[in-house]
Amino acid sequence: AQKVTQAQTEISVVEKEDVTLDCVYETRDTTYYLFWYKQPPSGELVFLIRRNSFDEQNEISGRYSWNFQKSTSSFNFTITASQVVDSAVYFCALRRSGANSKLTFGKGITLSVRP
Amino acid sequence: ETGVTQSPTHLIKTRGQQVTLRCSSQSGHNTVSWYQQALGQGPQFIFQYYREEENGRGNFPPRFSGLQFPNYSSELNVNALELDDSALYLCASSPNLLAGGGNEQFFGPGTRLTVL
Repeated sequence: AQKVTQAQTEISVVEKEDVTLDCVYETRDTTYYLFWYKQPPSGELVFLIRRNSFDEQNEISGRYSWNFQKSTSSFNFTITASQVVDSAVYFCALRRSGANSKLTFGKGITLSVRP
Repeated sequence: ETGVTQSPTHLIKTRGQQVTLRCSSQSGHNTVSWYQQALGQGPQFIFQYYREEENGRGNFPPRFSGLQFPNYSSELNVNALELDDSALYLCASSPNLLAGGGNEQFFGPGTRLTVL
């Protein structure tokens, strides 16, 4: 069975602070994919990043960066210099390799960025 | 390029009624998935359609059914509505997932269903 745990439920920061969102996953698969999605109040899930299980290189994309640690089954996401527009619910998700598109989501982290 | 669209935006039904939700996939995407998101929870996978056939199903009862049309648009039908069916229903489309890749899914804005 696959499982995604986002232990943080709500985070509040002041604008320009850095913030890290934690994600821990469980899977027996050797090949899988990890995602972060953002859900603003409008409700639409916005794709942010994807990581393949066979590529542990961590990257930075603009203000976003992620830390994939296969040894600890963690896939943490960092926003640098947060902005008010970053306020949203952030979901970590896991998908198996293969034809089934099922994404297993965590419960989400509500991020509030105060001016 | 048009993104994923869903209709209606909001819907109010009463227990026991039936509902049909609609989704138009993003151009070039032939796989559509449906998710149910209860308030304060992450989305839960209902099922996936590829080339007009169901190709994967989550832990939902048979009264949740769907269709995919030749233009890859899709419908989600829920019969005998229950109060717990109140949720945001999200549709997602993606390129051919049968290629086995981890292609990201692009989500629509959702349909907010309230069952009274």
